[in-house]
Amino acid sequence: QVQLVQSGAEVKKPGASVKVSCKASGYTFTSYGISWVRQAPGQGLEWMGWISAYNGNTNYAQKLQGRVTMTTDTSTSTAYMELRSLRSDDTAVYYCAREVAVAGIFFDYWGQGTLVTVSS
Amino acid sequence: QSVLTQPPSASGTPGQRVTISCSGSSSNIGSNTVNWYQQLPGTAPKLLIYSNNQRPSGVPDRFSGSKSGTSASLAISGLQSEDEADYYCAAWDDSLNGHGVFGGGTKLTVL
Repeated sequence: QVQLVQSGAEVKKPGASVKVSCKASGYTFTSYGISWVRQAPGQGLEWMGWISAYNGNTNYAQKLQGRVTMTTDTSTSTAYMELRSLRSDDTAVYYCAREVAVAGIFFDYWGQGTLVTVSS
Repeated sequence: QSVLTQPPSASGTPGQRVTISCSGSSSNIGSNTVNWYQQLPGTAPKLLIYSNNQRPSGVPDRFSGSKSGTSASLAISGLQSEDEADYYCAAWDDSLNGHGVFGGGTKLTVL
């Protein structure tokens, strides 16, 4: 069965970086993209960007350009999302999701979420 | 302020039919398909409707989606207590080199 298992919760200070992993299993990793979505406490969902697990192409949300990097390691079927220069408003649960269609916001499987807390 | 506009709340009694609207523009709903996600408290979102009106396997046919122009809607018939959740619409937006957009979410309460 398809599973996306994310790394554990993180606490970071403002200005630091965080790297969240998302290990996929149960399907051919390179046949789908991975998108990242975050949810601040009590707020809605925010699309962060997408990476093709096939060729590494990326598309990031404009507001995160320059601070976010998404990568994949096909040898371990793992996707990564790194966010730099963290601010308090980056505190959120970060989800990875399997993207069925490019430019579709069509996510059929989700990770369990990773809470990232940014606090001094 | 979300790009897609949803009512913040909706409610109904068991057995009733409720609808949740999602309003966008020509660059998102007007030119791309709409997907809907259900998020139960404390859990990850779950795909409910894709490509405007398609249900993934396992989703009851009580849930249906539609799209017209720059708006979409999710209908839930035969409302059940376990339907109490947050519901989000989502679509691709062709502006700014393309990016994903979500609605602000609608909290459905089953009275």
